[in-house]
Amino acid sequence: EAQVTQNPRYLITVTGKKLTVTCSQNMNHEYMSWYRQDPGLGLRQIYYSMNVEVTDKGDVPEGYKVSRKEKRNFPLILESPSPNQTSLYFCASSPGTAYGYTFGSGTRLTVV
Amino acid sequence: GQNIDQPTEMTATEGAIVQINCTYQTSGFNGLFWYQQHAGEAPTFLSYNVLDGLEEKGRFSSFLSRSKGYSYLLLKELQMKDSASYLCAVRDVGSGYSTLTFGKGTMLLVSP
Repeated sequence: EAQVTQNPRYLITVTGKKLTVTCSQNMNHEYMSWYRQDPGLGLRQIYYSMNVEVTDKGDVPEGYKVSRKEKRNFPLILESPSPNQTSLYFCASSPGTAYGYTFGSGTRLTVV
Repeated sequence: GQNIDQPTEMTATEGAIVQINCTYQTSGFNGLFWYQQHAGEAPTFLSYNVLDGLEEKGRFSSFLSRSKGYSYLLLKELQMKDSASYLCAVRDVGSGYSTLTFGKGTMLLVSP
Protein backbone atom coordinates (compact mmCIF):
# COMPACT_ATOMS: atom_id res chain seq x y z
CA GLU A 1 0.00 0.00 0.00
CA ALA A 2 1.32 3.44 -0.98
CA GLN A 3 1.79 5.47 2.15
CA VAL A 4 3.75 7.88 4.28
CA THR A 5 4.65 6.40 7.66
CA GLN A 6 5.47 8.53 10.67
CA ASN A 7 6.63 7.36 14.04
CA PRO A 8 5.78 7.75 16.80
CA ARG A 9 2.08 8.71 16.66
CA TYR A 10 2.19 10.20 20.14
CA LEU A 11 5.14 11.44 22.18
CA ILE A 12 5.45 13.20 25.50
CA THR A 13 8.92 14.43 26.34
CA VAL A 14 10.72 16.88 28.59
CA THR A 15 12.33 20.17 27.68
CA GLY A 16 15.82 19.79 26.27
CA LYS A 17 15.76 16.07 25.55
CA LYS A 18 16.70 15.48 21.92
CA LEU A 19 14.19 13.58 19.85
CA THR A 20 13.69 12.39 16.31
CA VAL A 21 10.41 11.84 14.49
CA THR A 22 10.86 9.44 11.61
CA CYS A 23 9.13 9.66 8.24
CA SER A 24 9.30 7.15 5.43
CA GLN A 25 7.49 6.92 2.10
CA ASN A 26 7.29 3.95 -0.26
CA MET A 27 6.18 5.79 -3.41
CA ASN A 28 9.60 6.90 -4.69
CA HIS A 29 8.53 10.51 -4.32
CA GLU A 30 11.13 13.23 -4.78
CA TYR A 31 9.46 15.92 -2.69
CA MET A 32 9.07 15.57 1.07
CA SER A 33 8.03 18.09 3.66
CA TRP A 34 7.36 18.59 7.35
CA TYR A 35 4.46 20.67 8.67
CA ARG A 36 3.22 21.55 12.10
CA GLN A 37 -0.43 22.27 12.79
CA ASP A 38 -1.60 24.48 15.63
CA PRO A 39 -5.11 25.73 16.46
CA GLY A 40 -5.84 29.03 14.76
CA LEU A 41 -2.59 28.93 12.79
CA GLY A 42 -3.22 26.08 10.37
CA LEU A 43 -0.52 24.03 8.72
CA ARG A 44 2.87 25.71 8.60
CA GLN A 45 5.84 24.34 6.71
CA ILE A 46 8.96 23.60 8.74
CA TYR A 47 11.35 22.18 6.17
CA TYR A 48 11.09 20.64 2.76
CA SER A 49 13.27 18.57 0.46
CA MET A 50 13.27 18.32 -3.31
CA ASN A 51 15.54 15.30 -3.47
CA VAL A 52 18.35 13.48 -1.69
CA GLU A 53 20.71 15.90 0.05
CA VAL A 54 18.56 18.89 -1.04
CA THR A 55 16.67 20.55 1.80
CA ASP A 56 15.48 24.07 2.53
CA LYS A 57 13.74 26.01 5.25
CA GLY A 58 10.02 26.56 5.28
CA ASP A 59 8.17 29.21 7.23
CA VAL A 60 8.97 28.04 10.79
CA PRO A 61 12.36 26.22 10.79
CA GLU A 62 13.72 27.52 14.11
CA GLY A 63 14.45 24.72 16.56
CA TYR A 64 14.28 21.95 13.96
CA LYS A 65 16.70 20.05 11.77
CA VAL A 66 16.14 17.61 8.93
CA SER A 67 18.21 15.33 6.74
CA ARG A 68 17.57 13.53 3.46
CA LYS A 69 20.26 10.90 3.06
CA GLU A 70 17.95 8.48 1.29
CA LYS A 71 15.02 9.20 -0.99
CA ARG A 72 12.47 7.40 1.18
CA ASN A 73 13.37 8.86 4.59
CA PHE A 74 13.06 12.40 5.92
CA PRO A 75 13.48 12.53 9.71
CA LEU A 76 12.66 15.60 11.78
CA ILE A 77 15.09 16.31 14.61
CA LEU A 78 14.46 18.49 17.65
CA GLU A 79 17.86 18.99 19.26
CA SER A 80 16.52 20.74 22.36
CA PRO A 81 12.72 20.67 22.43
CA SER A 82 10.83 23.45 24.15
CA PRO A 83 7.17 23.69 25.19
CA ASN A 84 6.36 25.96 22.22
CA GLN A 85 7.11 23.00 19.98
CA THR A 86 4.13 21.15 21.39
CA SER A 87 2.09 20.56 18.25
CA LEU A 88 0.69 18.10 15.72
CA TYR A 89 3.33 17.28 13.12
CA PHE A 90 2.72 15.95 9.63
CA CYS A 91 5.18 14.54 7.16
CA ALA A 92 4.15 14.59 3.50
CA SER A 93 5.52 13.52 0.14
CA SER A 94 4.78 14.31 -3.50
CA PRO A 95 6.08 13.07 -6.86
CA GLY A 96 6.32 16.58 -8.30
CA THR A 97 5.00 20.12 -8.43
CA ALA A 98 1.83 19.20 -10.32
CA TYR A 99 0.74 16.75 -7.69
CA GLY A 100 -0.68 17.06 -4.23
CA TYR A 101 1.04 15.92 -1.09
CA THR A 102 0.25 12.59 0.53
CA PHE A 103 0.31 13.07 4.29
CA GLY A 104 1.36 10.74 7.06
CA SER A 105 -1.00 10.08 9.96
CA GLY A 106 0.61 12.70 12.16
CA THR A 107 2.67 12.83 15.34
CA ARG A 108 1.21 14.54 18.36
CA LEU A 109 4.14 15.90 20.37
CA THR A 110 3.88 17.31 23.86
CA VAL A 111 6.92 18.97 25.44
CA VAL A 112 6.66 19.56 29.18
CA GLY B 1 5.66 34.86 0.64
CA GLN B 2 1.98 34.12 0.31
CA ASN B 3 -1.19 35.41 1.94
CA ILE B 4 -4.09 32.97 1.79
CA ASP B 5 -7.53 33.84 3.12
CA GLN B 6 -10.54 31.62 3.59
CA PRO B 7 -13.55 31.85 5.91
CA THR B 8 -13.06 30.35 9.33
CA GLU B 9 -16.37 28.53 9.58
CA MET B 10 -19.39 27.70 7.46
CA THR B 11 -22.59 25.80 8.11
CA ALA B 12 -24.88 24.06 5.66
CA THR B 13 -27.68 21.55 5.55
CA GLU B 14 -27.52 17.96 4.36
CA GLY B 15 -28.35 17.76 0.66
CA ALA B 16 -27.53 21.40 -0.01
CA ILE B 17 -24.70 23.02 -2.00
CA VAL B 18 -21.92 25.02 -0.35
CA GLN B 19 -19.14 27.14 -1.84
CA ILE B 20 -15.92 27.72 0.10
CA ASN B 21 -13.88 30.66 -1.16
CA CYS B 22 -10.14 31.17 -1.07
CA THR B 23 -8.18 34.26 -2.06
CA TYR B 24 -4.42 34.37 -2.30
CA GLN B 25 -1.51 36.64 -3.06
CA THR B 26 1.70 35.08 -4.30
CA SER B 27 4.68 36.06 -6.40
CA GLY B 28 5.25 32.80 -8.26
CA PHE B 29 1.93 30.97 -8.51
CA ASN B 30 2.27 27.38 -9.64
CA GLY B 31 -0.98 25.72 -8.67
CA LEU B 32 -3.74 25.65 -6.07
CA PHE B 33 -4.82 22.63 -4.08
CA TRP B 34 -7.82 21.82 -1.93
CA TYR B 35 -7.58 19.33 0.93
CA GLN B 36 -10.12 17.86 3.31
CA GLN B 37 -9.19 17.22 6.93
CA HIS B 38 -11.38 15.47 9.47
CA ALA B 39 -10.67 16.19 13.11
CA GLY B 40 -7.54 14.44 14.34
CA GLU B 41 -6.72 13.01 10.93
CA ALA B 42 -4.31 13.80 8.13
CA PRO B 43 -5.33 16.09 5.27
CA THR B 44 -6.44 14.26 2.12
CA PHE B 45 -6.10 15.63 -1.40
CA LEU B 46 -9.29 16.78 -3.12
CA SER B 47 -8.38 18.82 -6.18
CA TYR B 48 -5.70 20.68 -8.10
CA ASN B 49 -6.03 23.73 -10.36
CA VAL B 50 -3.21 25.37 -12.26
CA LEU B 51 -5.15 26.88 -15.20
CA ASP B 52 -8.24 29.07 -15.03
CA GLY B 53 -11.54 27.33 -15.00
CA LEU B 54 -13.56 24.65 -13.31
CA GLU B 55 -12.38 21.15 -12.43
CA GLU B 56 -15.14 18.70 -11.57
CA LYS B 57 -14.70 15.51 -9.64
CA GLY B 58 -17.91 13.84 -8.55
CA ARG B 59 -19.71 15.92 -5.92
CA PHE B 60 -16.73 18.25 -5.60
CA SER B 61 -15.67 20.97 -8.04
CA SER B 62 -12.91 23.54 -7.82
CA PHE B 63 -12.59 26.81 -9.69
CA LEU B 64 -9.57 29.04 -10.27
CA SER B 65 -9.10 32.60 -11.53
CA ARG B 66 -5.41 33.42 -11.58
CA SER B 67 -5.94 37.07 -12.53
CA LYS B 68 -8.16 37.57 -9.48
CA GLY B 69 -6.15 35.38 -7.12
CA TYR B 70 -9.33 33.51 -6.33
CA SER B 71 -10.52 29.96 -6.03
CA TYR B 72 -13.55 28.20 -4.68
CA LEU B 73 -14.45 24.65 -3.74
CA LEU B 74 -18.03 23.66 -4.49
CA LEU B 75 -19.57 20.76 -2.62
CA LYS B 76 -22.88 19.40 -3.90
CA GLU B 77 -25.42 17.06 -2.31
CA LEU B 78 -23.85 17.57 1.07
CA GLN B 79 -23.60 14.58 3.37
CA MET B 80 -22.98 14.47 7.10
CA LYS B 81 -19.55 12.97 6.47
CA ASP B 82 -18.57 16.17 4.63
CA SER B 83 -18.31 17.90 8.01
CA ALA B 84 -14.59 18.65 8.10
CA SER B 85 -12.02 21.37 7.65
CA TYR B 86 -11.25 22.36 4.06
CA LEU B 87 -7.77 23.66 3.37
CA CYS B 88 -6.75 25.83 0.45
CA ALA B 89 -3.05 25.56 -0.43
CA VAL B 90 -0.96 27.47 -2.96
CA ARG B 91 2.25 26.32 -4.58
CA ASP B 92 4.86 29.03 -5.10
CA VAL B 93 8.04 28.68 -7.10
CA GLY B 94 9.88 31.67 -5.70
CA SER B 95 13.61 31.32 -5.14
CA GLY B 96 13.78 28.47 -7.63
CA TYR B 97 12.12 26.01 -5.26
CA SER B 98 8.55 24.94 -4.95
CA THR B 99 6.77 25.29 -1.62
CA LEU B 100 3.19 24.57 -0.65
CA THR B 101 1.58 27.08 1.71
CA PHE B 102 -1.75 26.38 3.38
CA GLY B 103 -4.55 28.68 4.45
CA LYS B 104 -5.88 28.29 7.99
CA GLY B 105 -8.79 26.19 6.79
CA THR B 106 -12.57 26.50 6.72
CA MET B 107 -14.47 24.37 9.20
CA LEU B 108 -17.66 23.14 7.54
CA LEU B 109 -20.48 21.84 9.70
CA VAL B 110 -23.22 19.92 7.92
CA SER B 111 -26.45 19.59 9.88
CA PRO B 112 -29.40 17.25 9.26
